[in-house]
Amino acid sequence: DTAVSQTPKYLVTQMGNDKSIKCEQNLGHDTMYWYKQDSKKFLKIMFSYNNKELIINETVPNRFSPKSPDKAHLNLHINSLELGDSAVYFCASSQGGGSSEQFFGPGTRLTVL
Amino acid sequence: AQSVAQPEDQVNVAEGNPLTVKCTYSVSGNPYLFWYVQYPNRGLQFLLKYITGDNLVKGSYGFEAEFNKSQTSFHLKKPSALVSDSALYFCAVRDSGNTPLVFGKGTRLSVIA
Repeated sequence: DTAVSQTPKYLVTQMGNDKSIKCEQNLGHDTMYWYKQDSKKFLKIMFSYNNKELIINETVPNRFSPKSPDKAHLNLHINSLELGDSAVYFCASSQGGGSSEQFFGPGTRLTVL
Repeated sequence: AQSVAQPEDQVNVAEGNPLTVKCTYSVSGNPYLFWYVQYPNRGLQFLLKYITGDNLVKGSYGFEAEFNKSQTSFHLKKPSALVSDSALYFCAVRDSGNTPLVFGKGTRLSVIA
């Protein structure tokens, strides 16, 4: 029973393409997140949604657009991919924010050629 | 703005010996502090958290952490290390409300048999 799942696990694409990553959680949580982990393993939040509403939007290029069709799903669409977008993208969820721990998905390794 | 420092990139310890992974933080109010572990090619797993109360927090897999307000530290400890503890460990902090969770750069723990 996977708690937070992401598809695809690996994504290899050319510069300039548009791609999407999907995330689903079956924990009944109301808050979901997207993180980017770079090649040095540094982890930084990109977006956070609470009950389908955007609550955190860090300084991310507007080529990145999150979409939350319902509480259990948070997808990430990336337009006009660039070399610097190559990273591992993690989805996470929690029940509320603040003191609640987050549960992470297995990650999507994006490679832009 | 909150921040986290993990001063050691790498910690090496012999199996059976005690281990410590250091973390110091900076927040404007009361901190919520977390430790996560990441095994190769996996997502982050929650280990433990400090919200309020006892300064010594016990978590998964025999790990514990001590909150020290005067030193603004939250070091992760384990009395007896296992080879299977070898992984990348992240300390994270946020203050109350909907502020983002901020992660340290990670410390790679290597337990040698």
